[in-house]
Amino acid sequence: GAVVSQHPSRVICKSGTSVKIECRSLDFQATTMFWYRQFPKQSLMLMATSNEGSKATYEQGVEKDKFLINHASLTLSTLTVTSAHPEDSSFYICSARVGLAGGQGTDTQYFGPGTRLTVL
Amino acid sequence: GQNIDQPTEMTATEGAIVQINCTYQTSGFNGLFWYQQHAGEAPTFLSYNVLDGLEEKGRFSSFLSRSKGYSYLLLKELQMKDSASYLCAVREAAGNKLTFGGGTRVLVKP
Repeated sequence: GAVVSQHPSRVICKSGTSVKIECRSLDFQATTMFWYRQFPKQSLMLMATSNEGSKATYEQGVEKDKFLINHASLTLSTLTVTSAHPEDSSFYICSARVGLAGGQGTDTQYFGPGTRLTVL
Repeated sequence: GQNIDQPTEMTATEGAIVQINCTYQTSGFNGLFWYQQHAGEAPTFLSYNVLDGLEEKGRFSSFLSRSKGYSYLLLKELQMKDSASYLCAVREAAGNKLTFGGGTRVLVKP
């Protein structure tokens, strides 16, 4: 099946620093990846849609200059949280779009294992 | 926009059946997904409905009524490992964006 990895799984940083999170599709090519944020006991909130070779599409209320997304290849998308602050502490999850060839009978999304960011 | 509602928590006994309801109000619709998420982990795909009716996959079944904007996930023969959050998500008619409901935490007791 389709496997999506994320790195790092956990990161602790000081306020004001920048953190880069990588999302990779390991055994398939993903033209579209998604970035979500999830606060404790809440559901996933879509932050942006990342398309290979083009600019990301951000959801309303998400600052594109703070959350930089780069989808440089068909297997890698990165999210950089710039000048992180404690309120940015959250669980960040990426997903990759898998078409019908993914074997699930539908065009769906496979999720990475997530990155827990703690900003001190 | 999308509005997706599901209960916050449910408790059931091992071996029993639990039904998790999801109602949605959307401007467009191109399928409804159910995901399972254990604490601290990423969601895993469970089921997909785009036409009315019941889809069965082993112990899990999902139902959709588009006219009522309603779906449910049925978990049979509950096991302790089924304790998790279950997320209902709707795909917009255009694009592949998923909008998630708040999730239902299911606690399975012995």
